[in-house]
Amino acid sequence: EAGVAQSPRYKIIEKRQSVAFWCNPISGHATLYWYQQILGQGPKLLIQFQNNGVVDDSQLPKDRFSAERLKGVDSTLKIQPAKLEDSAVYLCASSFGTERETQYFGPGTRLLVL
Amino acid sequence: QKEVEQNSGPLSVPEGAIASLNCTYSDRGSQSFFWYRQYSGKSPELIMFIYSNGDKEDGRFTAQLNKASQYVSLLIRDSQPSDSATYLCAVPDTGGFKTIFGAGTRLFVKA
Repeated sequence: EAGVAQSPRYKIIEKRQSVAFWCNPISGHATLYWYQQILGQGPKLLIQFQNNGVVDDSQLPKDRFSAERLKGVDSTLKIQPAKLEDSAVYLCASSFGTERETQYFGPGTRLLVL
Repeated sequence: QKEVEQNSGPLSVPEGAIASLNCTYSDRGSQSFFWYRQYSGKSPELIMFIYSNGDKEDGRFTAQLNKASQYVSLLIRDSQPSDSATYLCAVPDTGGFKTIFGAGTRLFVKA
């Protein structure tokens, strides 16, 4: 079974630039998550999709971050404009059903904002 | 704001010893609890989940849950250098949809 795919793996940008990350979940998984993990901290949920719909985006900085999940499958997360404090690893995860089930994580995208 | 608290460590144990990792949570209604392992530079992977009070064993790993004390722990028996990683405690939020992760405990197993 193929795992969660993410791209790019690494990205370096300057502040105020924009960046986009892509995620393809495990086939058949209804729930997709985007997490931000700052060095030394646990993952923080940015947005959670159940199929096409958003079920939680309470911690997403909506003035600069946006996300969509096309046709209930893959997803993109965008930051525009980026700030220095956005430097982090962005993890995509998926689960078959709800968040009360095992989440499978992708390899992550390491973002450095200069 | 619901919280999941872990001692950040590092916790250092000699090879062959028992490593004990602890987690407390604030949501009294929580029903399920997950332990993820994260190697340096890698993404988290599930190693244990527990729903019921008491102990759950899987190989060298034992999860212990005490809902009255809002406390969940992970014991690693016969610790190996390959167990050196950060261990994340994760608790689904009963009032919403998200899973709340602790900051993780770094474990070092010395050969």
